[in-house]
Amino acid sequence: EVQLVESGGGLVKPGGSLRLSCAASGFTFSAHTLNWVRQAPGKGLEWVSSISRSSTYIYYADSVKGRFTISRDNTNNSLHLQMNSLRGDDTAVYYCARDYYYDSNAYPDSWGQGTLVTVSS
Amino acid sequence: EIVLTQSPATLSLSPGERATLSCRASQSVNNFLAWYQQKPGQAPRLLIYDASNRATGIPARFSGSGSGTDFTLTISSLEPEDFAIYYCQQRSNWPLFTFGPGTKVDIK
Repeated sequence: EVQLVESGGGLVKPGGSLRLSCAASGFTFSAHTLNWVRQAPGKGLEWVSSISRSSTYIYYADSVKGRFTISRDNTNNSLHLQMNSLRGDDTAVYYCARDYYYDSNAYPDSWGQGTLVTVSS
Repeated sequence: EIVLTQSPATLSLSPGERATLSCRASQSVNNFLAWYQQKPGQAPRLLIYDASNRATGIPARFSGSGSGTDFTLTISSLEPEDFAIYYCQQRSNWPLFTFGPGTKVDIK
C-alpha cells in the first residue's frame, strides 16, 4: 500500500523558517516525480513545487520561488520542503503527492494526509 | 499561465440525481486534465485522468469528457458519499500544474 506521511508543520512567526518532511513507503520511491501542494484554510489547492526522480529537474510556483527549497533522499525514501522567509499567506495544509505515469502524462495519484503550517505573530 | 474556471460554484442535488460539473481552460490543455474529489479533512482523491479515464478503483458512475478547453465531470447517480468538493487540474505543461477553484456538490 502506498503511504505518504508528512511532518514538520507548526506555528512559526513571519520571517521564520520551517522544514517539512514526507516519509514514503509501499512503492519504488526513486521511480516517481514528487510534488508539494498546499491548501489555505477554506481555500482551493495550489501547486507549490515538483522534483524529478533523480532531482535533476526542480520547479517552483512563482509565489514561493527564492524562499522554498524542495529536495529528496532516495536512499531514505523521503521528500523535504525547506521554507524560509515565511509569510502569512503561506499558512496552509501542505500535502506531498506522488506522480503516477499514465499513458500520455503523469498525475498526482497518491497524497499524504497533510501537515498544517501556520504563520502568525 | 493557464487558468481553469469551474461552474457552478455550488451544485445542490439529491441522492440519485445526476451531477454535471464543468471546467474551462483559458487555453487548450489538449486532454491533459484530471478531476479530484476532496472531502472535509481529507486529501484530494484522483478520479479521472487524461480527461476521460477513470483512476484505479473509481466507480463507473464517475465519467469525464472533453478536450481542448472544455471539460465535464458527470456523476450519473449521486451516492451519499459523493457529496464533496470537486477540482479539475491541468497538466499540459508537466510538471507544473494548476487547479480550478472547485465545485461543491452538496445535499439539497
